[in-house]
Amino acid sequence: GQNIDQPTEMTATEGAIVQINCTYQTSGFNGLFWYQQHAGEAPTFLSYNVLDGLEEKGRFSSFLSRSKGYSYLLLKELQMKDSASYLCAVLDSNYQLIWGAGTKLIIKP
Amino acid sequence: EAQVTQNPRYLITVTGKKLTVTCSQNMNHEYMSWYRQDPGLGLRQIYYSMNVEVTDKGDVPEGYKVSRKEKRNFPLILESPSPNQTSLYFCASSLGASGHSTDTQYFGPGTRLTVL
Repeated sequence: GQNIDQPTEMTATEGAIVQINCTYQTSGFNGLFWYQQHAGEAPTFLSYNVLDGLEEKGRFSSFLSRSKGYSYLLLKELQMKDSASYLCAVLDSNYQLIWGAGTKLIIKP
Repeated sequence: EAQVTQNPRYLITVTGKKLTVTCSQNMNHEYMSWYRQDPGLGLRQIYYSMNVEVTDKGDVPEGYKVSRKEKRNFPLILESPSPNQTSLYFCASSLGASGHSTDTQYFGPGTRLTVL
């Protein structure tokens, strides 16, 4: 079966750095997405990786290793507004998105 | 403003009473999709549509119907709702589904459905 694994919950301190990991086992791979979802709101797009390596976008970076079936989202200079769930999703060989259950990130002052 | 709209945002209903949740997008997107989100389970796809008059089952289609008669609209129909369909529902659209970064999904605000 297809599977996406992420930690259920993480806690970090304002101003610090946090890394949220995502491992996947899917039938084929056509890209990996990270979305942010604040409580009670819709998910919003953060990043997309299809080739190995690091993609940097401001305070957020996303890394992909296709051979390891692994990605991480790195958040720097954490702010209170970064408290949210972070969803990892993989586009499989049929171009269907397989979603992880999400990682709830709690930021403490 | 580019957006995906859903109505209603909140709905409490009773078992067996047919309901429709509307979804509309103004971005001329080809691809539209319905998800349900339950605690600890993440987003699960119900149905999706690659284009007008083309719909396909997702992971959890039982108990749901959809239609795509126009490009912008993709309503979700529950013919006979049951309590296990109590959930948070999201409609989403994207330019396509070809694996390009431009195929990021835009989500509607969500519909919180309770079936008693």
